[in-house]
Amino acid sequence: GAGVSQSPSNKVTEKGKDVELRCDPISGHTALYWYRQSLGQGLEFLIYFQGNSAPDKSGLPSDRFSAERTGGSVSTLTIQRTQQEDSAVYLCASSSFRRDYGYTFGSGTRLTVV
Amino acid sequence: AQSVTQPDIHITVSEGASLELRCNYSYGATPYLFWYVQSPGQGLQLLLKYFSGDTLVQGIKGFEAEFKRSQSSFNLRKPSVHWSDAAEYFCALGEGGSYIPTFGRGTSLIVHP
Repeated sequence: GAGVSQSPSNKVTEKGKDVELRCDPISGHTALYWYRQSLGQGLEFLIYFQGNSAPDKSGLPSDRFSAERTGGSVSTLTIQRTQQEDSAVYLCASSSFRRDYGYTFGSGTRLTVV
Repeated sequence: AQSVTQPDIHITVSEGASLELRCNYSYGATPYLFWYVQSPGQGLQLLLKYFSGDTLVQGIKGFEAEFKRSQSSFNLRKPSVHWSDAAEYFCALGEGGSYIPTFGRGTSLIVHP
């Protein structure tokens, strides 16, 4: 696609429920990144994919968080047994193999856990 | 380890005034540097980027940034700020591809009429 697409744009869920957030990167982009942005905070790195593999999962805050990427394209971030502190905007970005390209971000998914 | 520092959490300017947002980095080689802008409720939009060559780079929306190796800085400037420039601005260090970008914590720009 022309840009990075994230869905849903907004998600309200009850505490304890599982949620799935989707990211559809720019076609052909090999690298994909997930970030979390809590209210008034900067960007917290969660996980990075190169193709379908995730060489760096160091940012995932707990084992309730997981992510996968299939076909070198769409990625899903899953949060199990959501907690109120999971409320945040989840941003996805993708990048090509070209070092000088930079990173293109989606508009994010705003997750609210009530 | 690489890092990006944005010393100012908030900056307030009057509409029409000039703007400079500071960014300092720590990196062992020639950095790839970016400035992004985030309007409320939106994702991050790339304003400009520096990789090599001319140290003064032009971006979108009338922004420019100057890379100063001696000061490890990449400050963002605009000669005349518009009310629509009110947003969060992020400086980032990265190379794309397999390199995980490092972001500063952001500077919130407030524009007074």
